[in-house]
Amino acid sequence: DGGITQSPKYLFRKEGQNVTLSCEQNLNHDAMYWYRQDPGQGLRLIYYSQIVNDFQKGDIAEGYSVSREKKESFPLTVTSAQKNPTAFYLCASRTSGTSGSNEQFFGPGTRLTVL
Amino acid sequence: GQQLNQSPQSMFIQEGEDVSMNCTSSSIFNTWLWYKQEPGEGPVLLIALYKAGELTSNGRLTAQFGITRKDSFLNISASIPSDVGIYFCAGQRQGGKLIFGQGTELSVKP
Repeated sequence: DGGITQSPKYLFRKEGQNVTLSCEQNLNHDAMYWYRQDPGQGLRLIYYSQIVNDFQKGDIAEGYSVSREKKESFPLTVTSAQKNPTAFYLCASRTSGTSGSNEQFFGPGTRLTVL
Repeated sequence: GQQLNQSPQSMFIQEGEDVSMNCTSSSIFNTWLWYKQEPGEGPVLLIALYKAGELTSNGRLTAQFGITRKDSFLNISASIPSDVGIYFCAGQRQGGKLIFGQGTELSVKP
């Protein structure tokens, strides 16, 4: 099956601990994205990567870090510096290049709760 | 960060009714996307629009890319209970980055 997988589905952590969320895609997409969703709100961009070994900050990058060592993988670390980390985190990927192929496809999400 | 203005925020309708929702922005976008999200799941792409004035259908769904490139609407005809969910519009910026509306929560009464 081709698609985007995120693990785990639910994650609980104590305040002050770093935690890493996994995102893997086998769609051969170049670009990958991390969004945060809070109740009753739209999605906000945390980080994105258009190519391996390169990534850029989104609108709310503070307290987060990413890496892109492989095309298929784009893990997100929520650090202790993130003041309000409890949220639903969504990973997306997109094939880049020609017009007509700009759609982003989302994974199933990880719900992070910090106790 | 910038967000699109999406309305209405929520809708409660009877099965069989038509639904309309829209998004507006102060910025121009080259692509408009409409997604549906069910509780605890990731958004699923419904329709993608690439040209100003474009009108695209996907079954009972119809969406249009506004002529000014600053707005888009989504219509759902003859709603059914499985249409329940939150619908998001998104405008695409350079580099593929999306800006999302706040969502329209749709409830359908059988």
